[in-house]
Amino acid sequence: GENVEQHPSTLSVQEGDSAVIKCTYSDSASNYFPWYKQELGKRPQLIIDIRSNVGEKKDQRIAVTLNKTAKHFSLHITETQPEDSAVYFCAASRTDKLIFGTGTRLQVFP
Amino acid sequence: DVKVTQSSRYLVKRTGEKVFLECVQDMDHENMFWYRQDPGLGLRLIYFSYDVKMKEKGDIPEGYSVSREKKERFSLILESASTNQTSMYLCASSPSASPDTQYFGPGTRLTVL
Repeated sequence: GENVEQHPSTLSVQEGDSAVIKCTYSDSASNYFPWYKQELGKRPQLIIDIRSNVGEKKDQRIAVTLNKTAKHFSLHITETQPEDSAVYFCAASRTDKLIFGTGTRLQVFP
Repeated sequence: DVKVTQSSRYLVKRTGEKVFLECVQDMDHENMFWYRQDPGLGLRLIYFSYDVKMKEKGDIPEGYSVSREKKERFSLILESASTNQTSMYLCASSPSASPDTQYFGPGTRLTVL
């Protein structure tokens, strides 16, 4: 079955710096790659997603890139702010079922 | 706005008790899911349902069962709670278009003593 690996498990950056989180997946038929953000004590919420027919998608300070050949995708956050501090989960899917990575705890220090 | 609600935020049960966790969504979504979230393990799928009275096993179904008698409601049942089922349980729903955004409930933190 599908397996998704996510790195790093923790990431600390200074406010204003960029942050990059990487995920690899095993099922070459996967065609949907969402990213969820979970703030402390809150529910996971979708922040951006990409489908396999595009290589990059941007939404203000966040972007996701997809390399189908290498079977990896990444989340990029530019100009980080303290409110970006949260746990981020990547996921991969080719059906209704999402397979999640193990999460990255991002801390942004003022 | 999609609303997914769960019956309890915190629950404490004793070993061997039967536990019911309820999830309700108000967006007429076809698909509903139950996950457990543990530190360092991410979100692991327990069971999911594509339609009323339909259910499919996820990655870790052992010790759990589910019920979906109405489209908007998906229940997770721990037949005989054990301490290793202490965890955060998250419900989610998504439209029938596959694959698509999943909308999560606030979670139930279950402690089994």
